[in-house]
Amino acid sequence: GAVVSQHPSRVICKSGTSVKIECRSLDFQATTMFWYRQFPKQSLMLMATSNEGSKATYEQGVEKDKFLINHASLTLSTLTVTSAHPEDSSFYICSARQGFGTDTQYFGPGTRLTVL
Amino acid sequence: AQSVTQLGSHVSVSEGALVLLRCNYSSSVPPYLFWYVQYPNQGLQLLLKYTTGATLVKGINGFEAEFKKSETSFHLTKPSAHMSDAAEYFCAVRGPKTSYDKVIFGPGTSLSVIP
Repeated sequence: GAVVSQHPSRVICKSGTSVKIECRSLDFQATTMFWYRQFPKQSLMLMATSNEGSKATYEQGVEKDKFLINHASLTLSTLTVTSAHPEDSSFYICSARQGFGTDTQYFGPGTRLTVL
Repeated sequence: AQSVTQLGSHVSVSEGALVLLRCNYSSSVPPYLFWYVQYPNQGLQLLLKYTTGATLVKGINGFEAEFKKSETSFHLTKPSAHMSDAAEYFCAVRGPKTSYDKVIFGPGTSLSVIP
């Protein structure tokens, strides 16, 4: 099956710094990538949807300037958490989809962000 | 609006027993339905999905689910639980046609398998 990778798998940073998380589709071209946030023992919350070459569409309540998303190529999307604070600590998961319609979303392994 | 409920945040079964995880949805249009499994500190893996056609869907690892429109349900079952099935399970529904990109997840059910 299709493989999606994320890097890093785990990151610890100081409050006020910025952190970049990469999401790559390894064996297919992803026209659309999604970023989710998951708090402990909770479900996934969709943060934003990004299509290659265009601006990301953010869900209501998600700060665009806080969570910068770039989808510069068909195999790479990045999420940058700017001026991170402890409340941004979470598990961030990306997913990628090759096309539309019934095409399946493939999920990355997630990135655990801890802000001190 | 689309929504998903999963009855029982935690389910325990004995090894070899039937696994039944419940999922109900609400949707104004015919839904696409999914079950995902998540192991600790990992991403999600698709178990099975229903889009159209046969309402009984077979997935990986011996799981299956049946779409029942009259009950707005998509319960997940497995005849005989294995220790390796212990994980978090999420039911999900594809959003309405105008925003079909959005997959909405249920709150999840944690499955424990007792030896």
